[in-house]
Amino acid sequence: EVQLLESGGDLVQPGGSLRLSCAASGFTFSSFAMNWVRQAPGKGPEWVSTISASGGSTYYAASVRGRFTVSRDNSNNTVFLHMNSLRVEDAAVYYCAKPRDYYENSAYYPHFDSWGQGSLVAVSS
Amino acid sequence: SSELTQDPAVSVALGQTVRITCQGDILTTAHASWYQQKPGQAPLLVIYGENRRPSGIPDRLSGSSSGNKASLTITGARAEDEAEYYCNSRDSSDGHYVFGAGTKVTVL
Repeated sequence: EVQLLESGGDLVQPGGSLRLSCAASGFTFSSFAMNWVRQAPGKGPEWVSTISASGGSTYYAASVRGRFTVSRDNSNNTVFLHMNSLRVEDAAVYYCAKPRDYYENSAYYPHFDSWGQGSLVAVSS
Repeated sequence: SSELTQDPAVSVALGQTVRITCQGDILTTAHASWYQQKPGQAPLLVIYGENRRPSGIPDRLSGSSSGNKASLTITGARAEDEAEYYCNSRDSSDGHYVFGAGTKVTVL
């Protein structure tokens, strides 16, 4: 059974930093890209970042690029999100999500088949 | 544009059928998946692929797509189907994932 367990969420002041962790189990972690998705109160999910299976490629939403850094430790089945220069609008529940994109008959089917329970980040003075 | 548009809310009588739609240009190159979210819970994948359901998802939930529009249909709605439903896909131009704003389904 796939399990994703986030940790590290906290209350931080604007301009502060935080590091989230997501411990994965139940699948071959090093074979999958991993994602961070956040959800502000009363809003829909917002994709934040993707890191490739090897960690060699990373992608970011425009709203966090230059402030957030995603990394992973395949020896410990953990993905991280380093968040700097936090803003009030970064307050959200942050989920790690496992993608299971595939192609079939030339059609592309991206999706997230597993999510963690989320880690709450609050940004306030 | 990389937006996915959903109706904010729909209601359905118990046992009846409701269709939720998701529209966006990115759906012409990557199919939509659908997630159900209840208060205080993480999103749960309910539909992916060409109308595929993960284990445990009832077959009264089904998906379809055509062009730049995807649909999630609940046939014979039950009280436990009351939730927020989000569509999701990926922008092939930059690889970024995109979510719709969600549709709140109320079962009357």
